[in-house]
Amino acid sequence: NAGVTQTPKFQVLKTGQSMTLQCAQDMNHNSMYWYRQDPGMGLRLIYYSASEGTTDKGEVPNGYNVSRLNKREFSLRLESAAPSQTSVYFCASSEGGRTSNQPQHFGDGTRLSIL
Amino acid sequence: AQKITQTQPGMFVQEKEAVTLDCTYDTSDPSYGLFWYKQPSSGEMIFLIYQGSYDQQNATEGRYSLNFQKARKSANLVISASQLGDSAMYFCAMREGRGLSFGAGTTVTVRA
Repeated sequence: NAGVTQTPKFQVLKTGQSMTLQCAQDMNHNSMYWYRQDPGMGLRLIYYSASEGTTDKGEVPNGYNVSRLNKREFSLRLESAAPSQTSVYFCASSEGGRTSNQPQHFGDGTRLSIL
Repeated sequence: AQKITQTQPGMFVQEKEAVTLDCTYDTSDPSYGLFWYKQPSSGEMIFLIYQGSYDQQNATEGRYSLNFQKARKSANLVISASQLGDSAMYFCAMREGRGLSFGAGTTVTVRA
């Protein structure tokens, strides 16, 4: 039972390079999320997708774009990577939306370093 | 303004004892949900327990229980009978709007 799968698990980029982080879930969830976790901090929401074809900004969206390709897949793109985007990125999915009591299920994270 | 506050950066607990992790929150929305997640050193996020703002009883899940005091806006996690495998970072999070707002976390170290 895979749950939420993120690729890659690790990546090192140079400043200015672009990259897409991939996320796929097999739980038939409508909602998907991208978070970042900086050292010693909790997760912060980058973008959110309530359903296929819809996306919305979270707390820290600057420097990122997202695509909800279909119900299963939600990708995060860094167009021009900056050292401040060095972080661990988590993708999550959940059943239901805004008022749901269903927990978000997280992938294992992508550790991204930008030099 | 920080919406979730976890005031204990780190805690030590003896094996088999109980430990309480503090969490206070701030919201003006009458409908909200509170979650606790565990993050072991391996990095994954593991859901532990949920409390809804309209739930009449405190949530319990095995050795985890939530001490929910709505008027004080606190949702403390109690881990009973601590095990060595409970050593991890613990995050309190609040559902509002689109995603979750997380606290800074509390590191728990269980001593044998």
